[in-house]
Amino acid sequence: SQQGEEDPQALSIQEGENATMNCSYKTSINNLQWYRQNSGRGLVHLILIRSNEREKHSGRLRVTLDTSKKSSSLLITASRAADTASYFCATDRGSTLGRLYFGRGTQLTVWP
Amino acid sequence: GAVVSQHPSWVICKSGTSVKIECRSLDFQATTMFWYRQFPKQSLMLMATSNEGSKATYEQGVEKDKFLINHASLTLSTLTVTSAHPEDSSFYICSARPRWALATNEKLFFGSGTQLSVL
Repeated sequence: SQQGEEDPQALSIQEGENATMNCSYKTSINNLQWYRQNSGRGLVHLILIRSNEREKHSGRLRVTLDTSKKSSSLLITASRAADTASYFCATDRGSTLGRLYFGRGTQLTVWP
Repeated sequence: GAVVSQHPSWVICKSGTSVKIECRSLDFQATTMFWYRQFPKQSLMLMATSNEGSKATYEQGVEKDKFLINHASLTLSTLTVTSAHPEDSSFYICSARPRWALATNEKLFFGSGTQLSVL
């Protein structure tokens, strides 16, 4: 990937369980974003966390950021079959030019 | 909300032909657009930054003569894959940054992507 790694690369869980995905990156950042992609489709922006923030919530999503470890996690609580998708983190590498660099992604499968 | 329209959504072409993909911001002006490619089950790789009225900036390793980018207006950027070959088969996706969101990475809107298959 251009930026870093997500792990796990694939995650399979049952509906109702929580899903946790991790992302590591290599450079300084202004912010880190998480996106979702359904198979063969475009990206949906989920949540953005700034470099001076440590945790952020949006509905069933919880994102943490540890800039000292250059890592972030995305937690989806009470998962649903409709959450099945690929999830990517993306960073700006400290630039404000709008370029985003994506991790490899985690393929989440939620079984009904 | 801001919408980015990408066209076509899929295209099949013969080896050696050129393919043009359009990226339009429908309800906002975008001074900057970005082009990505994605191979199956892999991440999005930034190819280039498209700037209205100036030359595109390409990421390292991306052939600018192979992937021609034109940003002719504040609402349209095009990517032309010239003399396409099977190895160019990929999912191409654009994103746009609104003019009102300059100097921030927080407001980027993505198109729905184009699946290119070169026979």
